[in-house]
Amino acid sequence: QQQVKQSPQSLIVQKGGISIINCAYENTAFDYFPWYQQFPGKGPALLIAIRPDVSEKKEGRFTISFNKSAKQFSLHIMDSQPGDSATYFCAAAGNTGKLIFGQGTTLQVKP
Amino acid sequence: GAGVSQSPSNKVTEKGKDVELRCDPISGHTALYWYRQSLGQGLEFLIYFQGNSAPDKSGLPSDRFSAERTGGSVSTLTIQRTQQEDSAVYLCASSFSGVQPQHFGDGTRLSIL
Repeated sequence: QQQVKQSPQSLIVQKGGISIINCAYENTAFDYFPWYQQFPGKGPALLIAIRPDVSEKKEGRFTISFNKSAKQFSLHIMDSQPGDSATYFCAAAGNTGKLIFGQGTTLQVKP
Repeated sequence: GAGVSQSPSNKVTEKGKDVELRCDPISGHTALYWYRQSLGQGLEFLIYFQGNSAPDKSGLPSDRFSAERTGGSVSTLTIQRTQQEDSAVYLCASSFSGVQPQHFGDGTRLSIL
């Protein structure tokens, strides 16, 4: 019940395309859903986050879509750039703040 | 400091030795978290501090692992009698008063020979 399932494991997108990463959770007590971006040798960096009272949040080229009834959320990266090539993690947290992470998606954006 | 600082950035040690990993959170952040990142297990929660107290230690894998936080600031994660399966990147994160978001340091890469 504490798991967060993320897919796909890896993704290759052409420059300018849309990258889509999906996550699903089971625990309805989760109330905070962040996405992190990680480059090799660096710690995860917060990209964007959403709470279940909204269905979508957009920040620049990054959008989270949230479906509370399906217990699913996704990250859309519009106009993907080679600099977006990184590993992306979804996560979920309840009132303790403890983050439960998905397995990660390695994104490669081809020039 | 401007961000979460962890030291050392890399640590190589022999099996059976004890190691100490340090985390300096963002100034003013009262919540501090330790996570472990390994190829096989992904990113796993270890322990959470609110101030100097640890209300959630549920992720510590064994009694060889312990952590403390002093002065509501610096935290130390100690691994005793290290084993090869302890090899991983140990990440620290902090947040303001337990309210998200969490900001991560760049981690300590621990290698057990």
